[in-house]
Amino acid sequence: DTAVSQTPKYLVTQMGNDKSIKCEQNLGHDTMYWYKQDSKKFLKIMFSYNNKELIINETVPNRFSPKSPDKAHLNLHINSLELGDSAVYFCASSPQTGLGYTFGSGTRLTVV
Amino acid sequence: GQSLEQPSEVTAVEGAIVQINCTYQTSGFYGLSWYQQHDGGAPTFLSYNALDGLEETGRFSSFLSRSDSYGYLLLQELQMKDSASYFCAGSKGNQFYFGTGTSLTVIP
Repeated sequence: DTAVSQTPKYLVTQMGNDKSIKCEQNLGHDTMYWYKQDSKKFLKIMFSYNNKELIINETVPNRFSPKSPDKAHLNLHINSLELGDSAVYFCASSPQTGLGYTFGSGTRLTVV
Repeated sequence: GQSLEQPSEVTAVEGAIVQINCTYQTSGFYGLSWYQQHDGGAPTFLSYNALDGLEETGRFSSFLSRSDSYGYLLLQELQMKDSASYFCAGSKGNQFYFGTGTSLTVIP
């Protein structure tokens, strides 16, 4: 059983397109996150949700929007994709904010 | 935002001991965590220091000094499979930040 699963694993798309990445966790964790990892491997938090409420919203472009239909899901929707959005996006969850993260396997997004 | 600084690269010999340092620029972190990430993989949780001192988990130990805003990860009896990137991470309130990451290469 996969604890945190995200799909797709790879995503290649053209500039200007809109795409979504899905994430689901079956750990019963209260908090879920989206992280962006750039080519230098720096992990930057984008969003986190605790019990369906946004509690962190770092300074990311408003083209990025998290959607959480329930506690077990946190999807990431990206509008008008740009070349600079190319990165690996990780979903994660934790039982409480900031502790004991479990990461998904990542989605490698390539914008061409 | 907060910053957690780590050496960018470390090389060590198989069987040896290596220490990866993490210094942060602000006080108030609740604790310090460590994560391992192999190329192409996801970060995986290694250890967490809630209080000052040393935590030991098998070949891995982690240390925290909140008064010095400093911590380290100690890897003993290095194995080739330990070649990976290592990240420290700190939490403060509802905010959570990863360090700059250290690429560890273990050589025969």
